[in-house]
Amino acid sequence: EVQLVESGGGLVQPGGSLRLSCAASGFTFSSYEMNWVRQAPGKGLEWVSYISSSGSTIYYADSVKGRFTISRDNAKNSLYLQMNSLRAEDTAVYYCARGIGGWYFSWGQGTLVTVSS
Amino acid sequence: DIQLTQSPSFLSASVGDRVTITCRASQGISSYLAWYQQKPGKAPKLLIYAASTLQSGVPSRFSGSGSGTEFTLTISSLQPEDFATYYCQQLNSYPNTFGQGTKLEIK
Repeated sequence: EVQLVESGGGLVQPGGSLRLSCAASGFTFSSYEMNWVRQAPGKGLEWVSYISSSGSTIYYADSVKGRFTISRDNAKNSLYLQMNSLRAEDTAVYYCARGIGGWYFSWGQGTLVTVSS
Repeated sequence: DIQLTQSPSFLSASVGDRVTITCRASQGISSYLAWYQQKPGKAPKLLIYAASTLQSGVPSRFSGSGSGTEFTLTISSLQPEDFATYYCQQLNSYPNTFGQGTKLEIK
């Protein structure tokens, strides 16, 4: 069974940093592209970042470019999102999603990031 | 960036009704469109990809159509478990933008 489990969320002050993790199991992690998607409280979905299976291709939303860094460790079956210079508008539930041919077939349960003083 | 506009944003319907949600893209995206269902406190669930391909395990009352700039999601006969928020997403190019969502409520 495919499982994606996010962790690392919490309360952080504006300007602070946080590192999210997504632990994958039930499939060959190194063969799949991965994405981060977020959802602010009561709002819609926003794509955040993409990383190819090897890690060689990466994309970011303009809203996080230069502040967030996506990475993966295929040996540890894990995806990461390093978030720096956090702002109030980054407050959201962050989901990791597995891509197949670009389509987001599987999602984790999400982890909540709250940026507030 | 490609913008997706869903209509309506809110929809009130009854069990057994046939409902259609529309997603319009600001430029052509061929068939690179997906539909998701999201219930409160849960992750989105992929319903349809490539505009019209039903994801495994999704009931056949869900269907998708369209290509280019106009797409539709149709639920042929609403069931109680279908009341949720629906999103379209384009995967033609990055950023993979989402529509603003359509909240389907019980009348």
